[in-house]
Amino acid sequence: QSVLTQPPSASGTPGQRVTISCSGSSSNIGRNYVFWYQQPPGAAPKLLIYRNDHRPSGVPDRFSASKSGTSVSLAISSLRSEDEADYYCSTWDDSLSAYVFGTGTKVAVL
Amino acid sequence: EMQLVDSGGGLVKPGGSLRLSCEVSGFTFTKTWVSWVRQAPGKGLEWVGRIRSETDGGATEYAAPVKARFTISRDGSKHTVHLQMNSLQSEDTAVYYCTTVGYNYGSESFDYWGQGTLVTVSS
Repeated sequence: QSVLTQPPSASGTPGQRVTISCSGSSSNIGRNYVFWYQQPPGAAPKLLIYRNDHRPSGVPDRFSASKSGTSVSLAISSLRSEDEADYYCSTWDDSLSAYVFGTGTKVAVL
Repeated sequence: EMQLVDSGGGLVKPGGSLRLSCEVSGFTFTKTWVSWVRQAPGKGLEWVGRIRSETDGGATEYAAPVKARFTISRDGSKHTVHLQMNSLQSEDTAVYYCTTVGYNYGSESFDYWGQGTLVTVSS
């Protein structure tokens, strides 16, 4: 059972902005860096955001993220068809002494 | 080129064992932490365990559901990390991915991933 909660789905038309939330607690998001992963259909996950709000090289600046207290959010501005994927937040949980993932959000481009 | 190649998956009966391998290339292996993450069919991602780099002592940590059944080890001569899985149960059925941990993008990031290998536990 995931300790980080995400909405199961989000959608938008090309060019629209989509936001995904991820809610945790003081033992995980509240104390540690958060990371986001993108998993296209049938593919392995890929690091999308690191240390709360930084993009690895090669990730378009359409992707941005922020953190406030025990919640984080990922925004995709100007949605494109290739953004259709599952998105997961992740962090370390101090109480569990384990990495934890969000429940995942499937983004559809209508 | 930085690359991780997972292998060793297959069909195994409940109670059986399997060993997965993750061959790492393009990294300084002695400084590379490696984790295993799994994904049950149609489900989300679940962390399995990690092994620290040789330079950081090589200790291992595991998620509660697999502790005492799974063991992660590393072979420096072959730049390979292994996941030994014993007493397998149907709930262990998943695609298993190996990933580097914090190699380029800060500690706790799963920054590079293998392609995954499917483990099916069924009679």
